[in-house]
Amino acid sequence: AQSVSQHNHHVILSEAASLELGCNYSYGGTVNLFWYVQYPGQHLQLLLKYFSGDPLVKGIKGFEAEFIKSKFSFNLRKPSVQWSDTAEYFCAVNARAGGTSYGKLTFGQGTILTVHP
Amino acid sequence: SQTIHQWPATLVQPVGSPLSLECTVEGTSNPNLYWYRQAAGRGLQLLFYSVGIGQISSEVPQNLSASRPQDRQFILSSKKLLLSDSGFYLCAWRADPDNQPQHFGDGTRLSIL
Repeated sequence: AQSVSQHNHHVILSEAASLELGCNYSYGGTVNLFWYVQYPGQHLQLLLKYFSGDPLVKGIKGFEAEFIKSKFSFNLRKPSVQWSDTAEYFCAVNARAGGTSYGKLTFGQGTILTVHP
Repeated sequence: SQTIHQWPATLVQPVGSPLSLECTVEGTSNPNLYWYRQAAGRGLQLLFYSVGIGQISSEVPQNLSASRPQDRQFILSSKKLLLSDSGFYLCAWRADPDNQPQHFGDGTRLSIL
């Protein structure tokens, strides 16, 4: 079964610092990749997604992620974080093992990001 | 636009009691539906998914069951709750085909005493 690993459980940054959250998955086939964000007291929201094409994808609020197939990675980046980016971030993978996968997602453990003003 | 409703928001139940959590989706037809559980310090674990009325697939063996009596209604149940069933339960929907993301409800915080 596939697994998703997020390297950092808790990241603490000051405003304007650059952010990179790591995500690696263990599946050798075709994948759809996602980053979701959960702001305090809110529901899980889609930040960005990769299905095919340009491996550098841009999402909402200035976030981007790069799919590196050879490294089985999909790291999330933001050049300058804001206090409002404080949230928990989840990487998720949909393994497309021939035919339809029914969109099933395997999630990483999540990374809590705290941004100090 | 599509919306997803999940209730109740919080629930405290004694061990051995039954459970019914409900999820409904509006504004779409024939969605794929999912139940996840989120434990503290862990990601979301897929429990059940459904691609149509009456069609339920279980991803992990457990004390819970799911049903889909109507196209846009997804119910998570248990006959007898265990302490280990405590957690945060999330419902999600997705439109076909495969290249569509999932959209999540607000979740239910379930505490077993």
